[in-house]
Amino acid sequence: EAGVVQSPRYKIIEKKQPVAFWCNPISGHNTLYWYRQNLGQGPELLIRYENEEAVDDSQLPKDRFSAERLKGVDSTLKIQPAELGDSAVYLCASSGYQHNTGELFFGEGSRLTVL
Amino acid sequence: EDQVTQSPEALRLQEGESSSLNCSYTVSGLRGLFWYRQDPGKGPEFLFTLYSAGEEKEKERLKATLTKKESFLHITAPKPEDSATYLCAYGGSQGNLIFGKGTKLSVKP
Repeated sequence: EAGVVQSPRYKIIEKKQPVAFWCNPISGHNTLYWYRQNLGQGPELLIRYENEEAVDDSQLPKDRFSAERLKGVDSTLKIQPAELGDSAVYLCASSGYQHNTGELFFGEGSRLTVL
Repeated sequence: EDQVTQSPEALRLQEGESSSLNCSYTVSGLRGLFWYRQDPGKGPEFLFTLYSAGEEKEKERLKATLTKKESFLHITAPKPEDSATYLCAYGGSQGNLIFGKGTKLSVKP
């Protein structure tokens, strides 16, 4: 069974440029998460989807970040414009019927460097 | 304020030297305490879920325990392949996970 797939793995951009990350969750998983992980820190939730509905986006900086999950499958996270402080690893995770057990399946992440 | 605090930040062990990692929490209405392992350049990988004080879970050389204030991840006779960052997390009221900063474990042969 394929795991959570993210792309690109690495991205280097100049500040004020836009960037987008893509995530394909595990087939059949209705819950999708975007987390951000700064160096030496634990992941922090940005947004959580139940199917195509964003049910928790309280930590998403909405002035520059946006996300969508079309048809309740793939998801895209966009930053426009990027700032130096956005440099981090952006992790996508998914969970199925067992999400109440805390078992999230994470992708390998997209490492963003903003110069 | 709900939070989890992990200690130590880093731990170096010799192969076969058993030890424990700590995760203390101040969470009202705990909805589960979770342990994950994260290898460099990878996403976290689920290890255990604990729900109530006194509960224990085991997997190979790892055993997780839970009290009313903290959780321990015991590592028995570790091997170099156990080297990783171990993250604990608690279940938030919105159904998400709130992670600690992690303990970076290095096991030398």
